[in-house]
Amino acid sequence: QVQLVESGGGLVKPGGSLRLSCAASGFTLSDYYMSWIRQAPGKGLEWVSYISSRTNYPNYADSVKGRFTISRDNAKNSLYLQMDNLRAEDTAVYFCARIGAAVYFDSWGQGTLVTVSS
Amino acid sequence: DIQMTQSPSSLSASVGDRVTITCQASQDIRNYLNWYQQKPGKAPKLLIYDASNLKTGVPSRFSGSGSGTDFSFTISSLQPEDIATYYCQHYDDLPRGKVTFGPGTKVDMK
Repeated sequence: QVQLVESGGGLVKPGGSLRLSCAASGFTLSDYYMSWIRQAPGKGLEWVSYISSRTNYPNYADSVKGRFTISRDNAKNSLYLQMDNLRAEDTAVYFCARIGAAVYFDSWGQGTLVTVSS
Repeated sequence: DIQMTQSPSSLSASVGDRVTITCQASQDIRNYLNWYQQKPGKAPKLLIYDASNLKTGVPSRFSGSGSGTDFSFTISSLQPEDIATYYCQHYDDLPRGKVTFGPGTKVDMK
Protein backbone atom coordinates (compact mmCIF):
# COMPACT_ATOMS: atom_id res chain seq x y z
CA GLN A 1 0.00 0.00 0.00
CA VAL A 2 0.99 3.62 -0.43
CA GLN A 3 3.20 4.88 2.37
CA LEU A 4 4.82 8.27 2.91
CA VAL A 5 7.20 8.81 5.81
CA GLU A 6 8.59 12.27 6.60
CA SER A 7 11.76 12.93 8.54
CA GLY A 8 14.17 15.75 9.26
CA GLY A 9 12.06 18.00 11.46
CA GLY A 10 13.38 19.56 14.63
CA LEU A 11 14.25 22.76 16.46
CA VAL A 12 16.10 25.44 14.52
CA LYS A 13 16.93 29.06 15.24
CA PRO A 14 15.47 31.90 13.16
CA GLY A 15 17.54 32.35 10.03
CA GLY A 16 18.62 28.73 10.10
CA SER A 17 18.09 25.91 7.63
CA LEU A 18 16.56 22.47 7.68
CA ARG A 19 16.04 19.75 5.08
CA LEU A 20 12.97 17.58 5.22
CA SER A 21 12.76 14.20 3.52
CA CYS A 22 9.79 12.06 2.55
CA ALA A 23 10.33 8.39 1.78
CA ALA A 24 7.72 6.98 -0.58
CA SER A 25 6.77 3.34 -1.06
CA GLY A 26 3.96 1.30 -2.55
CA PHE A 27 3.79 3.25 -5.80
CA THR A 28 6.02 4.57 -8.57
CA LEU A 29 7.11 8.01 -7.39
CA SER A 30 8.03 9.19 -10.88
CA ASP A 31 4.39 8.86 -11.99
CA TYR A 32 3.10 11.47 -9.56
CA TYR A 33 3.28 15.10 -8.69
CA MET A 34 4.24 15.44 -5.02
CA SER A 35 3.63 18.19 -2.52
CA TRP A 36 4.43 19.62 0.90
CA ILE A 37 1.66 21.01 3.07
CA ARG A 38 2.05 22.44 6.54
CA GLN A 39 -0.07 23.08 9.59
CA ALA A 40 0.93 25.54 12.28
CA PRO A 41 -0.01 24.51 15.84
CA GLY A 42 -3.77 24.80 16.29
CA LYS A 43 -4.21 26.25 12.80
CA GLY A 44 -5.47 25.13 9.41
CA LEU A 45 -3.74 23.57 6.45
CA GLU A 46 -1.44 25.61 4.23
CA TRP A 47 -0.10 24.40 0.91
CA VAL A 48 3.66 24.99 0.67
CA SER A 49 4.93 23.58 -2.62
CA TYR A 50 4.54 20.91 -5.26
CA ILE A 51 6.82 19.44 -7.90
CA SER A 52 5.84 17.92 -11.23
CA SER A 53 6.31 14.26 -11.92
CA ARG A 54 8.82 14.13 -14.76
CA THR A 55 10.04 17.62 -15.53
CA ASN A 56 10.55 18.47 -11.84
CA TYR A 57 8.83 21.81 -12.33
CA PRO A 58 8.34 23.40 -8.89
CA ASN A 59 5.62 25.68 -7.63
CA TYR A 60 5.59 27.53 -4.31
CA ALA A 61 3.27 29.43 -2.06
CA ASP A 62 4.15 33.11 -1.90
CA SER A 63 4.93 32.74 1.81
CA VAL A 64 7.94 30.47 1.12
CA LYS A 65 9.04 31.45 -2.38
CA GLY A 66 12.74 32.26 -2.48
CA ARG A 67 13.41 30.52 0.85
CA PHE A 68 12.25 26.93 0.29
CA THR A 69 13.29 24.53 -2.46
CA ILE A 70 11.43 21.36 -3.33
CA SER A 71 13.20 18.51 -5.06
CA ARG A 72 12.83 14.81 -5.69
CA ASP A 73 15.00 11.77 -6.40
CA ASN A 74 12.79 9.23 -8.14
CA ALA A 75 15.56 6.62 -8.05
CA LYS A 76 15.62 6.88 -4.27
CA ASN A 77 11.83 7.17 -3.99
CA SER A 78 12.29 10.38 -2.06
CA LEU A 79 10.92 13.90 -1.91
CA TYR A 80 12.75 16.75 -0.21
CA LEU A 81 12.14 20.25 1.09
CA GLN A 82 15.15 22.46 1.71
CA MET A 83 14.11 25.27 4.03
CA ASP A 84 16.41 28.27 4.38
CA ASN A 85 16.16 31.56 6.24
CA LEU A 86 13.54 30.06 8.53
CA ARG A 87 11.19 32.30 10.46
CA ALA A 88 9.09 31.78 13.57
CA GLU A 89 5.98 31.66 11.38
CA ASP A 90 7.36 28.59 9.59
CA THR A 91 6.79 26.59 12.78
CA ALA A 92 4.42 23.80 11.78
CA VAL A 93 3.91 20.14 11.15
CA TYR A 94 5.02 19.49 7.58
CA PHE A 95 3.20 16.79 5.62
CA CYS A 96 4.25 15.32 2.33
CA ALA A 97 1.40 14.26 0.09
CA ARG A 98 0.86 12.57 -3.24
CA ILE A 99 -1.18 14.44 -5.82
CA GLY A 100 -3.85 12.42 -7.56
CA ALA A 101 -5.21 12.64 -11.08
CA ALA A 102 -6.89 15.96 -10.43
CA VAL A 103 -5.11 18.17 -7.94
CA TYR A 104 -6.19 16.36 -4.84
CA PHE A 105 -3.95 15.01 -2.12
CA ASP A 106 -4.83 11.34 -2.02
CA SER A 107 -2.12 10.04 0.31
CA TRP A 108 -0.40 11.79 3.20
CA GLY A 109 2.49 11.10 5.51
CA GLN A 110 2.18 11.39 9.28
CA GLY A 111 4.02 14.71 9.33
CA THR A 112 7.22 16.03 10.88
CA LEU A 113 7.34 18.96 13.29
CA VAL A 114 9.52 21.97 12.54
CA THR A 115 9.98 24.48 15.34
CA VAL A 116 11.70 27.78 14.65
CA SER A 117 12.66 29.45 17.89
CA SER A 118 15.64 31.09 19.55
CA ASP B 1 -5.43 35.11 -5.70
CA ILE B 2 -8.54 33.06 -5.06
CA GLN B 3 -9.80 33.12 -1.47
CA MET B 4 -11.80 30.31 0.08
CA THR B 5 -14.23 30.76 2.94
CA GLN B 6 -16.03 28.09 4.92
CA SER B 7 -19.05 28.27 7.15
CA PRO B 8 -19.72 27.64 9.85
CA SER B 9 -16.30 27.64 11.51
CA SER B 10 -17.62 25.13 14.01
CA LEU B 11 -20.80 23.24 14.76
CA SER B 12 -22.23 20.81 17.27
CA ALA B 13 -24.61 18.08 16.20
CA SER B 14 -26.12 14.85 17.48
CA VAL B 15 -25.67 11.33 16.20
CA GLY B 16 -27.93 10.87 13.19
CA ASP B 17 -28.14 14.56 12.35
CA ARG B 18 -27.67 15.86 8.85
CA VAL B 19 -24.67 18.18 8.76
CA THR B 20 -23.91 20.62 5.95
CA ILE B 21 -20.79 22.74 5.51
CA THR B 22 -20.45 25.37 2.82
CA CYS B 23 -17.36 26.59 1.00
CA GLN B 24 -17.32 29.72 -1.11
CA ALA B 25 -14.69 30.82 -3.60
CA SER B 26 -13.91 34.45 -4.39
CA GLN B 27 -14.24 33.72 -8.11
CA ASP B 28 -15.43 30.95 -10.42
CA ILE B 29 -13.39 27.80 -9.81
CA ARG B 30 -15.52 25.44 -11.92
CA ASN B 31 -15.54 22.16 -9.98
CA TYR B 32 -11.92 22.33 -8.81
CA LEU B 33 -12.82 21.70 -5.21
CA ASN B 34 -11.94 18.86 -2.84
CA TRP B 35 -12.93 18.00 0.74
CA TYR B 36 -10.80 16.50 3.52
CA GLN B 37 -11.39 15.18 7.01
CA GLN B 38 -8.76 15.65 9.71
CA LYS B 39 -8.93 14.09 13.13
CA PRO B 40 -6.76 15.46 15.98
CA GLY B 41 -3.11 14.49 15.68
CA LYS B 42 -3.65 12.79 12.33
CA ALA B 43 -3.02 13.62 8.70
CA PRO B 44 -5.99 14.76 6.62
CA LYS B 45 -7.89 12.24 4.52
CA LEU B 46 -9.41 12.95 1.12
CA LEU B 47 -13.17 12.37 1.06
CA ILE B 48 -14.53 14.15 -2.02
CA TYR B 49 -12.73 15.29 -5.17
CA ASP B 50 -13.84 17.51 -8.03
CA ALA B 51 -16.72 18.81 -5.92
CA SER B 52 -18.91 15.73 -5.94
CA ASN B 53 -16.89 12.56 -6.50
CA LEU B 54 -16.66 10.25 -3.51
CA LYS B 55 -13.23 8.71 -3.05
CA THR B 56 -13.31 4.93 -3.20
CA GLY B 57 -13.85 3.43 0.22
CA VAL B 58 -15.36 6.56 1.77
CA PRO B 59 -18.79 5.94 3.34
CA SER B 60 -21.74 7.04 1.25
CA ARG B 61 -23.10 9.27 4.03
CA PHE B 62 -20.53 11.82 2.84
CA SER B 63 -21.39 13.84 -0.25
CA GLY B 64 -20.43 17.05 -2.01
CA SER B 65 -22.05 19.34 -4.53
CA GLY B 66 -21.68 22.67 -6.23
CA SER B 67 -19.77 24.43 -8.97
CA GLY B 68 -18.62 27.92 -9.77
CA THR B 69 -18.30 29.76 -6.47
CA ASP B 70 -20.60 27.89 -4.09
CA PHE B 71 -20.06 24.40 -2.77
CA SER B 72 -21.47 22.26 -0.02
CA PHE B 73 -20.38 19.16 1.87
CA THR B 74 -22.94 17.00 3.66
CA ILE B 75 -22.87 14.21 6.18
CA SER B 76 -26.31 12.65 5.86
CA SER B 77 -26.33 10.95 9.25
CA LEU B 78 -23.58 12.01 11.65
CA GLN B 79 -21.67 9.19 13.31
CA PRO B 80 -19.37 9.44 16.36
CA GLU B 81 -16.33 8.69 14.19
CA ASP B 82 -17.13 11.73 12.04
CA ILE B 83 -15.97 14.12 14.77
CA ALA B 84 -13.19 16.00 13.01
CA THR B 85 -12.27 19.19 11.22
CA TYR B 86 -13.28 19.40 7.56
CA TYR B 87 -11.41 21.44 4.97
CA CYS B 88 -12.27 22.41 1.43
CA GLN B 89 -9.38 22.82 -1.01
CA HIS B 90 -9.19 24.53 -4.38
CA TYR B 91 -6.58 24.05 -7.05
CA ASP B 92 -5.61 25.79 -10.26
CA ASP B 93 -4.43 23.85 -13.30
CA LEU B 94 -1.04 22.19 -13.04
CA PRO B 95 1.85 22.78 -13.33
CA ARG B 96 1.67 26.49 -12.47
CA GLY B 97 -1.50 26.68 -10.46
CA LYS B 98 -1.77 27.47 -6.78
CA VAL B 99 -3.51 25.45 -4.11
CA THR B 100 -5.71 27.01 -1.44
CA PHE B 101 -7.33 25.44 1.59
CA GLY B 102 -10.39 26.79 3.31
CA PRO B 103 -10.04 27.69 7.00
CA GLY B 104 -11.80 24.54 8.19
CA THR B 105 -15.00 23.59 10.00
CA LYS B 106 -14.76 21.80 13.32
CA VAL B 107 -17.55 19.31 13.90
CA ASP B 108 -18.18 17.99 17.38
CA MET B 109 -20.89 16.06 19.16
CA LYS B 110 -23.67 17.81 20.98
